[in-house]
Amino acid sequence: DVVMTQSPLSLPVTLGQPASISCRSSQSLVYSDGNTYLNWFQQRAGQSPRRLIYKVSNRDSGVPDRFSGSGSGTDFTLKISRVEAEDVGVYYCMQGSHWLYTFGQGTKLEIK
Amino acid sequence: EVQLVESGGGLVQPGGSLRLSCAASGFTFSLYSMSWVRQAPGKGLEWVSFIAGGSSGTYYADSVKGRFTMSRDNSKNTVYLQMNSLRVEDTAVYYCAQNGNLDSWGQGTLVTVSS
Repeated sequence: DVVMTQSPLSLPVTLGQPASISCRSSQSLVYSDGNTYLNWFQQRAGQSPRRLIYKVSNRDSGVPDRFSGSGSGTDFTLKISRVEAEDVGVYYCMQGSHWLYTFGQGTKLEIK
Repeated sequence: EVQLVESGGGLVQPGGSLRLSCAASGFTFSLYSMSWVRQAPGKGLEWVSFIAGGSSGTYYADSVKGRFTMSRDNSKNTVYLQMNSLRVEDTAVYYCAQNGNLDSWGQGTLVTVSS
């Protein structure tokens, strides 16, 4: 199985400051169709996860543009340009290129 | 608007069975693959199973293979997860999600396996 490793696992951030989460995969996530199926999810306390980013860098509808995704191959990053209070929660990366699809361990973002 | 509503969770003894359902609306159900993902209390997300749009293929995590069966009824816009030989470690909130890239999620249903 592809192992997804996120860092850091805990991320205290001051309101208005940027935040960055790294996600590394144990093998390349480039699929045979040329796409890279690396997604990012946000889970607020007591809620279902919500997808923010799909295929590395595409924002889902309704996701604020302060969220951005980047990367290629085995190395990916989720960035929040200016953290707001509503961004508190756990963030997961997930690969959908190789079955068994797998998630990272999660990064807990909190306000400092 | 996509809506996914899970049901069927509850308390069951080890070795028992449960069938979860997920009713979908707001999209052309038969054209989409569907997934089940679970989250044990206080833990991260774990993919459980996946079914292609035309039921042509199902895939399972090793942790549930041989015990869980995912199916779908395109006439009812519903996917199912039949869970047999349940273990304490299967205790989790079970979410159904649209597509292999988990475009949209349901609210989840809690399965508790305990004696």
